[in-house]
Amino acid sequence: NAGVTQTPKFQVLKTGQSMTLQCAQDMNHNSMYWYRQDPGMGLRLIYYSASEGTTDKGEVPNGYNVSRLNKREFSLRLESAAPSQTSVYFCASSESLVRGRHFGDGTRLSIL
Amino acid sequence: GDSVTQMEGPVTLSEEAFLTINCTYTATGYPSLFWYVQYPGEGLQLLLKATKADDKGSNKGFEATYRKETTSFHLEKGSVQVSDSAVYFCALTERDDKIIFGKGTRLHILP
Repeated sequence: NAGVTQTPKFQVLKTGQSMTLQCAQDMNHNSMYWYRQDPGMGLRLIYYSASEGTTDKGEVPNGYNVSRLNKREFSLRLESAAPSQTSVYFCASSESLVRGRHFGDGTRLSIL
Repeated sequence: GDSVTQMEGPVTLSEEAFLTINCTYTATGYPSLFWYVQYPGEGLQLLLKATKADDKGSNKGFEATYRKETTSFHLEKGSVQVSDSAVYFCALTERDDKIIFGKGTRLHILP
């Protein structure tokens, strides 16, 4: 009964380091998403993937790249981390528009 | 563009009090509306949804009615519990599969 699994749960990086956040879903959903959550800002969409093999930019894509490795997995990469990328990152998946999103428990990322 | 506006928090209530969290939206078409809940240290969970006007979504004692005439989707519960303390997000989606979230309302329930 895993749903959406994110790894790692916590990470501290130094400015300029690179890192990949992993996300996997076991619900056979076509669509997957990456959000960041910051105080007072709500959730903002970074990138999404409507189906295997496709990715599109969201509201705040700068400084990030994504890979839809297969139907289950959708990773988010920070090539050169910056303090402004300190945030909580959530991966989500969905079966259809009206069924809503299923979220992972988040990755808490601090950039020093 | 589409947007969601919800009341700012934090909202602090005593246990067994009546809860209303206001949510209004602007949309060009006919969106589906959602309420999500986020407990401390966790991701968002879908609480309830409504897909067309006058639909009422309900779950765990919470209710919200899709009001097209007032473009609202207010969340209500008749008697809150300490375990309801969380952040609540109102959201909408339209046919392009983009979901728009409100900024969230933090709810504190005092025993």
